[in-house]
Amino acid sequence: DAGITQSPRHKVTETGTPVTLRCHQTENHRYMYWYRQDPGHGLRLIHYSYGVKDTDKGEVSDGYSVSRSKTEDFLLTLESATSSQTSVYFCAINTGQGDLFGGYTFGSGTRLTVV
Amino acid sequence: KQEVTQIPAALSVPEGENLVLNCSFTDSAIYNLQWFRQDPGKGLTSLLLIQSSQREQTSGRLNASLDKSSGRSTLYIAASQPGDSATYLCAVYGNQFYFGTGTSLTVIP
Repeated sequence: DAGITQSPRHKVTETGTPVTLRCHQTENHRYMYWYRQDPGHGLRLIHYSYGVKDTDKGEVSDGYSVSRSKTEDFLLTLESATSSQTSVYFCAINTGQGDLFGGYTFGSGTRLTVV
Repeated sequence: KQEVTQIPAALSVPEGENLVLNCSFTDSAIYNLQWFRQDPGKGLTSLLLIQSSQREQTSGRLNASLDKSSGRSTLYIAASQPGDSATYLCAVYGNQFYFGTGTSLTVIP
């Protein structure tokens, strides 16, 4: 099974501060994703990556940036946190080889509260 | 944009009952479909993946089917158990994954 860990698991931060969430995988899967999950909205894609330094926006990317300097790490940064970004954030990987689709595996999530 | 709908939003059944969860999607041009379960406060656990050339998948008491032409998928759970209580999500993959909002299942002992 693909190993995928997220850190931190929980975070409380103040409005206006920058916050970085980390997603780490133990295998060399090419595609990594950041989602947020909110009641009534389900899971929505924030950003995704298709390789080192290769990223693209999802449907709810405003206020977020990402970086991928190594295959195994995908970072999500809230540049200036707002209360509307209070959510549960999930990282996912496509477990297929290369460009093949092999299904998604999700991390355990980060619960972020912006006060 | 792809819209994925799961009905009902919540379902409560007695233990031992067979049940069907439904997933419908608006754009039939999809390649794959994946069913997940999510326990409260936890991440998503993959249950079944139906690849583009397949029409159904089975794992233990679970069976998922996919009919692209009608834009529907069903997840069949046989002989339900209290441990099956969770939220079940379907996701369809075209050029990206689109998720339904889930069906919350409660199995009553």
